[in-house]
Amino acid sequence: AQSVAQPEDQVNVAEGNPLTVKCTYSVSGNPYLFWYVQYPNRGLQFLLKYITGDNLVKGSYGFEAEFNKSQTSFHLKKPSALVSDSALYFCAVRDQSPNSGYALNFGKGTSLLVTP
Amino acid sequence: NAGVTQTPKFRVLKTGQSMTLLCAQDMNHEYMYWYRQDPGMGLRLIHYSVGEGTTAKGEVPDGYNVSRLKKQNFLLGLESAAPSQTSVYFCASSYGQGGSPLHFGNGTRLTVT
Repeated sequence: AQSVAQPEDQVNVAEGNPLTVKCTYSVSGNPYLFWYVQYPNRGLQFLLKYITGDNLVKGSYGFEAEFNKSQTSFHLKKPSALVSDSALYFCAVRDQSPNSGYALNFGKGTSLLVTP
Repeated sequence: NAGVTQTPKFRVLKTGQSMTLLCAQDMNHEYMYWYRQDPGMGLRLIHYSVGEGTTAKGEVPDGYNVSRLKKQNFLLGLESAAPSQTSVYFCASSYGQGGSPLHFGNGTRLTVT
């Protein structure tokens, strides 16, 4: 089965500092990986994805993610955090198995808190 | 530019009552999904549809039914609500294969007492 794990329930960072939200994956074959952000009382918003190609993927709101095949990781990063980045972040992997509907399998989420 | 719209936004049910959640998308997506979100558990797939007139079970389908009579709509039904179904329900849609992301609605917060 295709799955992802987010080892941290919460990440705290000071505004202006770099941030990293961790994700590791377990798949058979080539992974299709995604990051989403959820603000309070809202749905999930797509940030970025890795399908193939460059290991550094750039996305919305200044976020980027680094795909590392040897470490089976897909960590989300931002060089300089903003207070407005405080939200819940989800890593996800596309289920490529037959009869899966190409659904996404999500991690449990990491709450990011950026303090002024 | 509505995207994915879910109705209602909030609902309170008593145990044993039934209800239907409506999801509508205007992006001409073939694939649609219903997820539930519970604290500390991420999102879990309830049912999905790969096209008009077709539905299939996801990870946690028990106690739910779905229908996709029109391409743009995906309905989630609770036949006899239970407190364990208290959750936030999200609908999503996509083109399906490859790198196409899922587009989510803003959710329905359901409380079963």
